[in-house]
Amino acid sequence: KDQVFQPSTVASSEGAVVEIFCNHSVSNAYNFFWYLHFPGCAPRLLVKGSKPSQQGRYNMTYERFSSSLLILQVREADAAVYYCACEGRNTDKLIFGTGTRLQVFP
Amino acid sequence: NAGVTQTPKFQVLKTGQSMTLQCAQDMNHNSMYWYRQDPGMGLRLIYYSASEGTTDKGEVPNGYNVSRLNKREFSLRLESAAPSQTSVYFCASKEETSGYNEQFFGPGTRLTVL
Repeated sequence: KDQVFQPSTVASSEGAVVEIFCNHSVSNAYNFFWYLHFPGCAPRLLVKGSKPSQQGRYNMTYERFSSSLLILQVREADAAVYYCACEGRNTDKLIFGTGTRLQVFP
Repeated sequence: NAGVTQTPKFQVLKTGQSMTLQCAQDMNHNSMYWYRQDPGMGLRLIYYSASEGTTDKGEVPNGYNVSRLNKREFSLRLESAAPSQTSVYFCASKEETSGYNEQFFGPGTRLTVL
């Protein structure tokens, strides 16, 4: 079965670099997508691709079957749920992980 | 652009009642999606539509129907609501031009079935 795996919770101190790991068993998966979700709001795309990339404080690492989202200088306001997703080649669908809740302590 | 809009934002139903969740996008996207979000389960695809007039089942389609009314609108219908359908429902549409399956989400509908 095509699945995406990520930890349920990650905790960090404010100002640190936090890493959220994701791996998958999706057939022919090509791209990774990392979404940020605050409760009551629309999930928002942070970074995507099939190679390492950076958007502001968000870095994405890339391996064939795994990716990590690194958040630089994490803040209390970054506390939210982060979703990892994969898509296979020639498909209209994304497979989402179960989400990682980031806790940030002062 | 408003992006992806969903109505209503909140809804409470009794078991057996029916309702339709509405979704519209103004980005001229071809593909649209319905997901449900449950604690510990992440975002699970209910149905999707690759183009106007076509719909396909996702991972959890049972108990739901969809209609792709036109290119802008994609509705989700619960014919006989059950407590197991208590969830937050998200609609999304897909950006075509970037070459990626980049999906844009609406703000969600929180549905409670008593």
